[in-house]
Amino acid sequence: DTAVSQTPKYLVTQMGNDKSIKCEQNLGHDTMYWYKQDSKKFLKIMFSYNNKELIINETVPNRFSPKSPDKAHLNLHINSLELGDSAVYFCASSQSGTTTQYFGPGTRLLVL
Amino acid sequence: GENVEQHPSTLSVQEGDSAVIKCTYSDSASNYFPWYKQELGKRPQLIIDIRSNVGEKKDQRIAVTLNKTAKHFSLHITETQPEDSAVYFCAARDNQAGTALIFGKGTTLSVSS
Repeated sequence: DTAVSQTPKYLVTQMGNDKSIKCEQNLGHDTMYWYKQDSKKFLKIMFSYNNKELIINETVPNRFSPKSPDKAHLNLHINSLELGDSAVYFCASSQSGTTTQYFGPGTRLLVL
Repeated sequence: GENVEQHPSTLSVQEGDSAVIKCTYSDSASNYFPWYKQELGKRPQLIIDIRSNVGEKKDQRIAVTLNKTAKHFSLHITETQPEDSAVYFCAARDNQAGTALIFGKGTTLSVSS
C-alpha cells in the first residue's frame, strides 16, 4: 500500500545517455512534484503539476522534461545526461486545499 | 520568490538534552511551515507542521514555534534520543495550487549516548 512510489530506485548510466524516472501515487492527489537533492543534501523544486498541468518549472535545463499522463503519474525524462545530473530525485504529491506533501523513496542517479 | 535560511548546519547534543533548529523566511505570503526528518538513505518524512494562524504546536517531544512578524520559525526537540539523529529540513510555502515547498539547507543532528 505504498503511497508514492518511484522506479527505478537506483540508476547508473553513462554521460550522454537518455533516461527516465517514473513516479506513481495512489493517494488520489491532484498535484505532483519533482525535487532534486544534490550531494550537499539541498532539496530543490524542479517541477510541479496540478491536474496534469505544469504549474512550476524552475530554472532547470531543457534536457529535463516532465510528463504527466494522468493525475496519478508524473514521469521525468532526462536527455544527454551530464555528470552534474548525479543526485537523488524525489517525487512528491499533495492535494489542493491541503498542505502536506508526501515524498517517494527517491531515485539515486549516478552519471559516469 | 521565497528564500528559507536554516541554522545551524550541524548540531551535536548529548542524549537527554534539548535541540533547537531555527529558520527564517522571506516571503510574507508563505503561510505553511513544515519540518521534515530525513534519515540516511531515506525519504524526507513530515514530523510536524504549523500554519500561519498558529504561534506554537506540540507533538510529544517535538514543538514548533512561529513568529510571523519576524518571519522566524523554530523546531524544538526535548529529551533527545539517539534515534533522533538525522537531517532536519524546514520549509515554507503559500497555499496556491501547485506551490512547492522551499526548503532550508538542512541541519544534521547527532545525538550521542
